[in-house]
Amino acid sequence: GAGVSQSPRYKVTKRGQDVALRCDPISGHVSLYWYRQALGQGPEFLTYFNYEAQQDKSGLPNDRFSAERPEGSISTLTIQRTEQRDSAMYRCASSLVMAATQYFGPGTRLLVL
Amino acid sequence: AQSVTQLDSHVSVSEGTPVLLRCNYSSSYSPSLFWYVQHPNKGLQLLLKYTSAATLVKGINGFEAEFKKSETSFHLTKPSAHMSDAAEYFCVVSDQYGNKLVFGAGTILRVKS
Repeated sequence: GAGVSQSPRYKVTKRGQDVALRCDPISGHVSLYWYRQALGQGPEFLTYFNYEAQQDKSGLPNDRFSAERPEGSISTLTIQRTEQRDSAMYRCASSLVMAATQYFGPGTRLLVL
Repeated sequence: AQSVTQLDSHVSVSEGTPVLLRCNYSSSYSPSLFWYVQHPNKGLQLLLKYTSAATLVKGINGFEAEFKKSETSFHLTKPSAHMSDAAEYFCVVSDQYGNKLVFGAGTILRVKS
């Protein structure tokens, strides 16, 4: 079956612009996770959802970052007023239920000029 | 808090020789541990996971890992490397609720012909 998909795969934007990154989880997976991976490092947790409820957003670096999952399926990670330090790979994962194995998508590489 | 240390940033082996990727963890509770692999331009793929059952865990593509509580280690091994094993490998520990994954910095495996 289809895995986790993310779009766009690559995004180049100018500093100060807002960007929206989309994640489409595996069908039937109720939990969805966002991670950020800087170059040369492992992914770091940002936030996660169970159905449409955001359960933990402790990893979001500041209030420019927000995420939503209004219908409990597709999720959007939004970064407002982007800065160069936001450049990274943004990864999404989903799991069948909470605390189950997480399956990752291909990621969105964001470059802020 | 939980953490993971991957002891080698780069490992180089010849095709057909054994692979050893080292990982130490720190956790205040009984951890769930994982190894994920990342091939270029692809998403993170789960190799194997330990969840307090057998201490020797077998994964895909001939990889296995042994959980050693006394040494707080979870090293990844494979008896004979193949060219297709060249990738970046991440050792991962989950938080106590099983939702937030904490990644190591990664080990890049190079396989020489």
